[in-house]
Amino acid sequence: GENVEQHPSTLSVQEGDSAVIKCTYSDSASNYFPWYKQELGKRPQLIIDIRSNVGEKKDQRIAVTLNKTAKHFSLHITETQPEDSAVYFCAASAGGTSYGKLTFGQGTILTVHP
Amino acid sequence: DVKVTQSSRYLVKRTGEKVFLECVQDMDHENMFWYRQDPGLGLRLIYFSYDVKMKEKGDIPEGYSVSREKKERFSLILESASTNQTSMYLCASVPLGSNEKLFFGSGTQLSVL
Repeated sequence: GENVEQHPSTLSVQEGDSAVIKCTYSDSASNYFPWYKQELGKRPQLIIDIRSNVGEKKDQRIAVTLNKTAKHFSLHITETQPEDSAVYFCAASAGGTSYGKLTFGQGTILTVHP
Repeated sequence: DVKVTQSSRYLVKRTGEKVFLECVQDMDHENMFWYRQDPGLGLRLIYFSYDVKMKEKGDIPEGYSVSREKKERFSLILESASTNQTSMYLCASVPLGSNEKLFFGSGTQLSVL
């Protein structure tokens, strides 16, 4: 089955800095790669996603890049703010008969210091 | 707004008890999932269902079973709770034909003593 590895496990930055979280996946059939943000005591929420036919996607201060050949994808947050502090999870899915069935990474605790 | 409701926010049970975790979604989603969340391990899929009375094992099904008698309700059952099942349990749903965005419940923190 699919295996998703996520690094780093914790990340501490100063407000205004950039943050990068990296994930690798094992199943070449995976074609959908979402990122979820979970604030303390709250449910995970989708913040951005990318499909395998696209190399990069951007939404305001967040962007995701995908390298299918190397089987890795990354989340980039620019101009970080204290409200970006949360746990971030990457995930992968092969779609098709596995529609909505995500394999998650281990999570990254991001702390943004004012 | 999609609502995925889990019946309990916190639950304390004793070893060997049978435990039911209930999840209800109000948007007629076909697919429903049960994940458990543990620090440093992320979210791991226990079971999922694509239709009423249908279920499939996820990555860590041992010690669990599920029931989906109605489309909107997906129950997770711990037949005989053990201390290593102490965890946060998250239910999620997604409609077919969407962009695969999962809608999560608020979670049930289960402690097995």
